[in-house]
Amino acid sequence: SAVISQKPSRDICQRGTSLTIQCQVDSQVTMMFWYRQQPGQSLTLIATANQGSEATYESGFVIDKFPISRPNLTFSTLTVSNMSPEDSSIYLCSVGQGSSGYTFGSGTRLTVV
Amino acid sequence: AQSVTQPDIHITVSEGASLELRCNYSYGATPYLFWYVQSPGQGLQLLLKYFSGDTLVQGIKGFEAEFKRSQSSFNLRKPSVHWSDAAEYFCAVGAGGNEKLTFGTGTRLTIIP
Repeated sequence: SAVISQKPSRDICQRGTSLTIQCQVDSQVTMMFWYRQQPGQSLTLIATANQGSEATYESGFVIDKFPISRPNLTFSTLTVSNMSPEDSSIYLCSVGQGSSGYTFGSGTRLTVV
Repeated sequence: AQSVTQPDIHITVSEGASLELRCNYSYGATPYLFWYVQSPGQGLQLLLKYFSGDTLVQGIKGFEAEFKRSQSSFNLRKPSVHWSDAAEYFCAVGAGGNEKLTFGTGTRLTIIP
């Protein structure tokens, strides 16, 4: 199955700033998924990123707040913009690989102060 | 819309006792079902998955799960838990490949000596 390198692993950011999270996959994949896990909560899908088109956002998430880039079939970035303490969460990228299931990055633990 | 219900928020089990974590799903077609485990401060680890075939699935760490279509369930079991099994467990449903995963709210497992 695919291997995902996600960076940074953690960060502490000032409110009002932005953080860009990167995910690099060791094989070409069509779809990449970005999830948020708020403290003590389950994973919630933010958006689905398809190479060559705009990301599809889930209800409650907007492009201005979480812009996503997908320049090729092995790479994607998620930016958390104009951060507030409520954005403190773990952010994970994931790829689906048919019958092999889904692979997740190791996550980015974000704290906004 | 697909959904997953994990009715037990928190379960406490004695070390060496058996374990069953419940998962019910709602999905319009044949589901791909997954169980993930997340230890404190760690990423998601896949325990097992079901796509088709034998409805009793064996996973890592001695876990197994049984798919019951008539009950829309995919319960996770282990005959004898170890202290290291203390973690958060997530059930998830998806279509595989290019479709998103939907997670349940998770069950936190505590092991007592």
